[in-house]
Amino acid sequence: DVKVTQSSRYLVKRTGEKVFLECVQDMDHENMFWYRQDPGLGLRLIYFSYDVKMKEKGDIPEGYSVSREKKERFSLILESASTNQTSMYLCASSPLAGLSSYEQYFGPGTRLTVT
Amino acid sequence: AQSVTQPDIHITVSEGASLELRCNYSYGATPYLFWYVQSPGQGLQLLLKYFSGDTLVQGIKGFEAEFKRSQSSFNLRKPSVHWSDAAEYFCAVGGPNSWGKLQFGAGTQVVVTP
Repeated sequence: DVKVTQSSRYLVKRTGEKVFLECVQDMDHENMFWYRQDPGLGLRLIYFSYDVKMKEKGDIPEGYSVSREKKERFSLILESASTNQTSMYLCASSPLAGLSSYEQYFGPGTRLTVT
Repeated sequence: AQSVTQPDIHITVSEGASLELRCNYSYGATPYLFWYVQSPGQGLQLLLKYFSGDTLVQGIKGFEAEFKRSQSSFNLRKPSVHWSDAAEYFCAVGGPNSWGKLQFGAGTQVVVTP
C-alpha cells in the first residue's frame, strides 16, 4: 500500500521558534508538495519539488523554506514561527512524468499551533 | 490564471438521498479536473479524474462527475449517500503546462443525517 507519512499529527510551538515538518513517501515519486489548509481557503501550495535539491515556490512561500536532500523526504521549515502560521499542513507526492503526475497522494497532515 | 470555485461551503443530505456538489473552474486551456475527499482526521484521497474523452467519469465509492465545457463545470454526484460519505470534498484543476501542480477549491463540507 502506497504511503506518505508526516512526522507529527499535532504540534504546538511558540512564536519565534524554528519549526521542521517532515514528510516521507515510499513510492519513489519525484514530485513532492507542501500545502497549508485553512477553513474557507482550501489547499494552498507553499512549495513544490520535482527532484532532489530542486524546489519551486508555490502560491504562498513567504515565511517558509524547504529542503529535499533525499528523494523520499521533503521538509518544510518555518524559520521563525508566527501565530498566522497556525494551520493544517499537508504533504503530497506524485510521479514526475505524464498524466500520473497530477494524481497526488497525500499524507494525514500536521496540525500546527503557534502560540 | 487558473482558479476553482466551489459555491457550496456546507451541504446537509439525508442518508439514501442523492448528492450533487458543484465545481466551476477557470482555465485558459483544456483543463485536467479532479475530485478529492478528506474524511475526518485523514489526508486527501483521489475520488476521480478527468483528462480527456468521455465527459462522464466514474470514480471510487460510487461517485461520478460530468465535465461540461460550455459551463466550465465539473460537478460531482452520487445517487444514494451513505453515512460514511460525510467528509470534505475538494475540486481541483491542473493543465498540460502545470507540471503536476493543482489548484484546489475551498472545499464543500458534507453532513449526512440519518
